[in-house]
Amino acid sequence: EVQLLQSGAEVKKAGESLKISCKASGYRFTSNWIGWVRQKPGKGLEWMGVIYPDDSDTIYSPSFQGQITFSADRSINTAYLQWRSLKASDTATYYCARGLWLGELGADSWGQGTQVTVSS
Amino acid sequence: SYQLTQTPSVSVSPGQTARITCSGDTLSKQFAYWYQQKPGQAPALVIYKDNERPSGIPERFSGSRSGTTVTLTISGVQAEDEADYHCQSLDTSVIFGGGTKLTVL
Repeated sequence: EVQLLQSGAEVKKAGESLKISCKASGYRFTSNWIGWVRQKPGKGLEWMGVIYPDDSDTIYSPSFQGQITFSADRSINTAYLQWRSLKASDTATYYCARGLWLGELGADSWGQGTQVTVSS
Repeated sequence: SYQLTQTPSVSVSPGQTARITCSGDTLSKQFAYWYQQKPGQAPALVIYKDNERPSGIPERFSGSRSGTTVTLTISGVQAEDEADYHCQSLDTSVIFGGGTKLTVL
């Protein structure tokens, strides 16, 4: 069974850094894109970009380019989403999902979400 | 703003048919995908490539396309279908609609 397990909720202050994780199991981690999606409270889904864990090829949405960094550790089947300096507007739930890029546009498995709260 | 346009809300009674639409120029040349999201849960794929159902998704869920509009149809709506539904496609990047809240009266 494919599973994506995300790290727990975070409460941070503006200007702090943060790295959240998404651990994959039940499939070959290096064979699929991992996408990241933001959902602000009461709002829709926003595609942030994807990473291909085999070679760490990354594609960022123009809306998020420069604000975030994706990485992956193949040895522990884990993908990461990182911020160097959080803003209050980053308050949202963040999901990882398998797919969300060419050849696998449909995301067939999702993490449970990581809620990030940033206070100003 | 979202590059795919969805009606914010749809209400139907149990047993009726719900139709949720999603419009956007890119849909004339790219597949659509639909996700169901219940409160406090992650999205779940219910339709891919316009009209294909993942395993485990009930047959009452179906998808169709006409020009630049795609439609998610839920036949014989059940109370458990009450959720937000998001469409997704591809332009220069992956894009989502703003979501439609389905209320089962």
